[in-house]
Amino acid sequence: EVQLVESGGGLVQPGRSLRLSCAASGFTFEDYAMNWVRQAPGKGLEWVSGISWNSDSIAYADSVKGRITISRDNAKNSLYLQMNSLRAEDTALYYCAKSQIGLWEPIDYWGQGTLVTVSS
Amino acid sequence: EIVLTQSPGTLSLSPGERATLSCRASQSVSSSYLAWYQQKPGQAPRLLIYGASSRATGIPDRFSGSGSGTDFTLTISRLEPEDFAVYYCQQYGSSQRTFGQGTKLEIK
Repeated sequence: EVQLVESGGGLVQPGRSLRLSCAASGFTFEDYAMNWVRQAPGKGLEWVSGISWNSDSIAYADSVKGRITISRDNAKNSLYLQMNSLRAEDTALYYCAKSQIGLWEPIDYWGQGTLVTVSS
Repeated sequence: EIVLTQSPGTLSLSPGERATLSCRASQSVSSSYLAWYQQKPGQAPRLLIYGASSRATGIPDRFSGSGSGTDFTLTISRLEPEDFAVYYCQQYGSSQRTFGQGTKLEIK
């Protein structure tokens, strides 16, 4: 069974940094592209970033480009999201999400999310 | 960035009725790289349709997708009580993958 468990969320002040992690299990992690998708409270879904199986291809939403870095460690079956210069509008539930196969594929599994709240 | 506009914003129907949800793109979606997701309150989204018309694993055949280019449709042939939820379309054919704003399907 595919499991994606996010961690690292919490309350952080504007301008500070936060690193999210996602522990994957139940599938061969190194074979699949991965993504981060966020959802502000009561709002819709926003794709944030995606990374190919070998980290060669990475994409970011324009809204976060330059402030967010996605990475992965295939040896640890883990996905990460380093978020810097956080803003109030970054407040959201952040989902770790697996692509069907490659980066240009839909998302077929989602974690339950970790909540990031940016507030002073 | 491809903007996806979903309509209607809210759809009120009764169990057993047919639901038709629309997703319109601001420019052509490459190779019909269009997916539909269902999200229920307090849950993560679930993939329903990919490639505009292919059902994901385990999805009942009352769900179907169609369309190409800039106009796509999700149809639920006969609504079951568990189908009332929010539905999102997403395009994954460009470097900026974008979601529509969602259609809420509510019980009439």
